[in-house]
Amino acid sequence: NAGVTQTPKFRVLKTGQSMTLLCAQDMNHEYMYWYRQDPGMGLRLIHYSVGEGTTAKGEVPDGYNVSRLKKQNFLLGLESAAPSQTSVYFCASSLAGPNEQFFGPGTRLTVL
Amino acid sequence: SQQGEEDPQALSIQEGENATMNCSYKTSINNLQWYRQNSGRGLVHLILIRSNEREKHSGRLRVTLDTSKKSSSLLITASRAADTASYFCATFNDYKLSFGAGTTVTVRA
Repeated sequence: NAGVTQTPKFRVLKTGQSMTLLCAQDMNHEYMYWYRQDPGMGLRLIHYSVGEGTTAKGEVPDGYNVSRLKKQNFLLGLESAAPSQTSVYFCASSLAGPNEQFFGPGTRLTVL
Repeated sequence: SQQGEEDPQALSIQEGENATMNCSYKTSINNLQWYRQNSGRGLVHLILIRSNEREKHSGRLRVTLDTSKKSSSLLITASRAADTASYFCATFNDYKLSFGAGTTVTVRA
């Protein structure tokens, strides 16, 4: 089992460019999450999904969109990147809401 | 907003010593979880304690939860160099986990 994988590992964007981060899990988990981690802060929830075809906003959803077309994949999109979106992005999944979450290795994004 | 706050922010100990870190939170919770993050890596789940539990053990880890004080502690006994990492508490309430800013633990050989 690969667990939770994220693509790409690193990316540099210019302001205004768009990109999609891909998260995949092979544990048949219902719940999937996107977080961002900034220096000196804990993880902040961007969006989450409680099942295929569903998405919901977390704490910091502005500037991001998500889609969950397949149970195993959760995509995070930046339509027009801004320097404030420079961060490390983590995807996670869990069997159910209150359960432990399994994290991917992260994507380091820099927006110039 | 951060629900949990860890204390201390950083901790440096000698190999073989115990490490204790604390977490305080603000609202009622369903459960509290502790995670470890090695530098440049994703978070790894360590232990989950439910709101009706007071203490839990897992190997060299001991977690306590005091819901009346809205606080938790994580004890790592007989620390090893491999325990060097950041440790985060996360409270589950409603639909989401809320993470603190973490405690950075350095174990000196």
